[in-house]
Amino acid sequence: EAGVAQSPRYKIIEKRQSVAFWCNPISGHATLYWYQQILGQGPKLLIQFQNNGVVDDSQLPKDRFSAERLKGVDSTLKIQPAKLEDSAVYLCASSQSGGPYGYTFGSGTRLTVV
Amino acid sequence: DQQVKQNSPSLSVQEGRISILNCDYTNSMFDYFLWYKKYPAEGPTFLISISSIKDKNEDGRFTVFLNKSAKHLSLHIVPSQPGDSAVYFCAASAPHNAGNMLTFGGGTRLMVKP
Repeated sequence: EAGVAQSPRYKIIEKRQSVAFWCNPISGHATLYWYQQILGQGPKLLIQFQNNGVVDDSQLPKDRFSAERLKGVDSTLKIQPAKLEDSAVYLCASSQSGGPYGYTFGSGTRLTVV
Repeated sequence: DQQVKQNSPSLSVQEGRISILNCDYTNSMFDYFLWYKKYPAEGPTFLISISSIKDKNEDGRFTVFLNKSAKHLSLHIVPSQPGDSAVYFCAASAPHNAGNMLTFGGGTRLMVKP
């Protein structure tokens, strides 16, 4: 079974620029999550999709972050404009509906904002 | 407000000895707990989990203990191996979380010395 694919692996941008991350979940996984992991901290949920609908985006800074999951498969997460404090690893995960034990994470995108 | 805490940022253990990683939580609604392991430049991978109806779950060298009254769980690795060196995250889920969102602790870096 192919895993969760994320790209790019690394990105360096200047503050106030925009950036986009892409995620392709495991085939058949209805639920997709974007987590932000700041260095030295645990992953923090940004947004959760069930198919192509948003289940929870309460911790997404909506003034600068946006995410979509068209057709209930791939997803993109965008930051515009980026701030220094957005430097983090952005992890995408997917799971089949029905339990927290089915999470599979991608390798993440490491974003550095300078 | 950190609902899941791992108070030890790092732990060093000799190969062959026991590693004990601890995790505390504050939300009494959490009913499912998981441990994830993370190597550098990779996403977290699922290690072991426990439901709140149990107080112990064992899988090979890994055992998770849950003390609900103390809101505390621990991961025991016996015997520890150099390949176990990684960052370990505990995570928790509550039944009201649509889509089974996970709340993570800050992680503990385990170093197993040969």
